[in-house]
Amino acid sequence: AQTVTQSQPEMSVQEAETVTLSCTYDTSENNYYLFWYKQPPSRQMILVIRQEAYKQQNATENRFSVNFQKAAKSFSLKISDSQLGDTAMYFCAFMKHGEIKAAGNKLTFGGGTRVLVKP
Amino acid sequence: NAGVTQTPKFQVLKTGQSMTLQCAQDMNHEYMSWYRQDPGMGLRLIHYSVGAGITDQGEVPNGYNVSRSTTEDFPLRLLSAAPSQTSVYFCASSYLAINEQFFGPGTRLTVL
Repeated sequence: AQTVTQSQPEMSVQEAETVTLSCTYDTSENNYYLFWYKQPPSRQMILVIRQEAYKQQNATENRFSVNFQKAAKSFSLKISDSQLGDTAMYFCAFMKHGEIKAAGNKLTFGGGTRVLVKP
Repeated sequence: NAGVTQTPKFQVLKTGQSMTLQCAQDMNHEYMSWYRQDPGMGLRLIHYSVGAGITDQGEVPNGYNVSRSTTEDFPLRLLSAAPSQTSVYFCASSYLAINEQFFGPGTRLTVL
């Protein structure tokens, strides 16, 4: 079974500065996907960024980027130029690849990190 | 597209009552799933479906039933509600297992 660990329950950052959220995972799989989801107070789960394990290049989406270290099983999220709208819970999640039908769509989530952006 | 919709948004039940949480998506997604979110914990998978007529158990299936008679709908049934089922419930869908999942807005359920 896979496990995902987010060791930082809460972080705060000043507006326009950078914050990095850590995520580690444990798996015996070689092919898998990693995700960061954002959950604002509205409770909606919003995909922030996705990384395929077979890609060495780190994924980026505008102000969001990841540092994917496969050997270390680490997947951190960097939020640059933080904005007030970034205030939310952030969840790291893992999905193994395998056969499409067999894998289903099981996401394993970490416990979350609450990010507070201060003006 | 409405995306993933869930009803109701809030619900209070008494212990032993049954109810159905509704989930629907209009994106023609094959994959749908139900998660529960408890304070201090990430989302945990309850049941999932890889297509109409096919369902399977997730991490925490006890006390819940699902069915998938159409591609669009994936209701979650609580058979006999217990206080331990107080949680926020999320439905999600995706085109393929490896694609991003789209989440509904959630249902906050309280069991007294």
